[in-house]
Amino acid sequence: DSGVTQTPKHLITATGQRVTLRCSPRSGDLSVYWYQQSLDQGLQFLIQYYNGEERAKGNILERFSAQQFPDLHSELNLSSLELGDSALYFCASSARDRHTEAFFGQGTRLTVV
Amino acid sequence: GQQVMQIPQYQHVQEGEDFTTYCNSSTTLSNIQWYKQRPGGHPVFLIQLVKSGEVKKQKRLTFQFGEAKKNSSLHITATQTTDVGTYFCAGIYNFNKFYFGSGTKLNVKP
Repeated sequence: DSGVTQTPKHLITATGQRVTLRCSPRSGDLSVYWYQQSLDQGLQFLIQYYNGEERAKGNILERFSAQQFPDLHSELNLSSLELGDSALYFCASSARDRHTEAFFGQGTRLTVV
Repeated sequence: GQQVMQIPQYQHVQEGEDFTTYCNSSTTLSNIQWYKQRPGGHPVFLIQLVKSGEVKKQKRLTFQFGEAKKNSSLHITATQTTDVGTYFCAGIYNFNKFYFGSGTKLNVKP
């Protein structure tokens, strides 16, 4: 158990819909990272938050947004969903703002139908 | 743009044989990390390399970072069935841009 909790584990939704994925980092970790893993694109870094502030942005679509709350949990919002958004979404946390050892959650498997 | 290339895509070995996966970047990295993902699991951090020419060992695993900080390798000596999984490198640029390699899927035959 990495100490990072992601909910829900599975999500099935229709195209055009909006979903929110939630992540609780390890106790004491200030950084949260979001990643997307799909069969054709591999593992892609989406965005990083550190202590509530956006720190780094990767290949995140404009339809996607994220935030980190004062209690350090984070949410990834995916809107106007397309079939191609079906993937495993991982959250990871680390103690500091620069990429140090990151602990991954179990992931949320999103299926868009 | 930045990109991290990883080879090979797949590797099948007999238990006891060695295994190596390589990552290359066209531009200089600030640091590189290695992860292992078991089938159906999540990535698990193995190590981070920061210094030019750095070599780190973890039991049967040896990690190297090139002198130019553009390439890295992971070598496993005498593979075991517990080594099965996909090994990813993650190249980091300017300490905040993070790009994963495509991964090397290792299968170990007993």
